[in-house]
Amino acid sequence: NAGVTQTPKFRVLKTGQSMTLLCAQDMNHEYMYWYRQDPGMGLRLIHYSVGEGTTAKGEVPDGYNVSRLKKQNFLLGLESAAPSQTSVYFCASSFGPLERGVVLGTDTQYFGPGTRLTVL
Amino acid sequence: EDQVTQSPEALRLQEGESSSLNCSYTVSGLRGLFWYRQDPGKGPEFLFTLYSAGEEKEKERLKATLTKKESFLHITAPKPEDSATYLCPYSISSGSARQLTFGSGTQLTVLP
Repeated sequence: NAGVTQTPKFRVLKTGQSMTLLCAQDMNHEYMYWYRQDPGMGLRLIHYSVGEGTTAKGEVPDGYNVSRLKKQNFLLGLESAAPSQTSVYFCASSFGPLERGVVLGTDTQYFGPGTRLTVL
Repeated sequence: EDQVTQSPEALRLQEGESSSLNCSYTVSGLRGLFWYRQDPGKGPEFLFTLYSAGEEKEKERLKATLTKKESFLHITAPKPEDSATYLCPYSISSGSARQLTFGSGTQLTVLP
């Protein structure tokens, strides 16, 4: 199993350009998340999804959009990049709630390797 | 306001010098307290989940404990490969997404 993978690993954009970050997981997880990590601030949740076709806002959603067309993929889009979006982006996934007899531990999130984005 | 505070911000140990990292939280409706390690340039790697006060979990040189207000990560006889940033996010009972809220982490350096 590859776990959680992210594409690309690095990207440099100019202000106003757009791009999409791809997250893929092969663990059959229901829940997927996008975080950003900035120096001294810890990871902050941007958007999340509780299942295929669903998305919801996290703590810092402005300037980002997401889509979950397939259960294994979660896309993060920047329509018009700004320097304030320079950051490291992490995707994570988890099984989700305690349903169908799944034991405790299903809400453990597993993270991808990250995408380092610089906006000039 | 719900939050988690980690201390110290940075810790330098000699190889073999045992110590503890602290995670202090003020949360209403704590569901779980997690420990991750993060190496430079990589994503957080899961270590432990603790769900109730008094719970303890161990893995090799690491032992995590949980009280009603704090969690500790005890490192026994650390080695240089234990050097990393350690994170202790939490999740709360309300809501369906089991979102994690992170602090800034403790940067641990173990010197040979």
